[in-house]
Amino acid sequence: EAQVTQNPRYLITVTGKKLTVTCSQNMNHEYMSWYRQDPGLGLRQIYYSMNVEVTDKGDVPEGYKVSRKEKRNFPLILESPSPNQTSLYFCASSGQHLPRETQYFGPGTRLLVL
Amino acid sequence: GENVEQHPSTLSVQEGDSAVIKCTYSDSASNYFPWYKQELGKRPQLIIDIRSNVGEKKDQRIAVTLNKTAKHFSLHITETQPEDSAVYFCAASPLRDYKLSFGAGTTVTVRA
Repeated sequence: EAQVTQNPRYLITVTGKKLTVTCSQNMNHEYMSWYRQDPGLGLRQIYYSMNVEVTDKGDVPEGYKVSRKEKRNFPLILESPSPNQTSLYFCASSGQHLPRETQYFGPGTRLLVL
Repeated sequence: GENVEQHPSTLSVQEGDSAVIKCTYSDSASNYFPWYKQELGKRPQLIIDIRSNVGEKKDQRIAVTLNKTAKHFSLHITETQPEDSAVYFCAASPLRDYKLSFGAGTTVTVRA
């Protein structure tokens, strides 16, 4: 089954404790992206990746890191989480290394930073 | 960067009526405009998209129109049904990079 998976689905952590949210897709997609969703703000792009070892900043990259060592995986790293990073996070992927094709979203990761 | 504004933020319609959501964008280089539907507790899903070389696109009860001169695009849902109740997001992507900027969303409620 073609899908995008994220782990964990729910996470409660404390300020400053490094965490990683994993994202994996089995569709051989070149393009992967991370978004955060906050009430009244819609979806905001954090980082995206055109292909392995190619990443670029979205609209809200501050406080986040990403890596793309393998085509299927695109982890999101919060080196020192802060309460303003409490949000719902979505990973997405699409083929043809463009967002101009259908993006498939993962199920989301709800993060609470205390 | 691109700035996408979406209106209205909430929309309540009677079942069978039409719903219209409007978005404006700031970057004249944007050339791809998708619309996503997000049901409560679910992930966003693409419902329709339009590229800048097309003025209108239809898919059954859903249509999208694009006015590049005015830099706005709209989603039209006809003969609304209860299952159309969801949050709808518009987005825009410019040609020069691969970012995707979303509007803030419209919560659509279809009253039976």
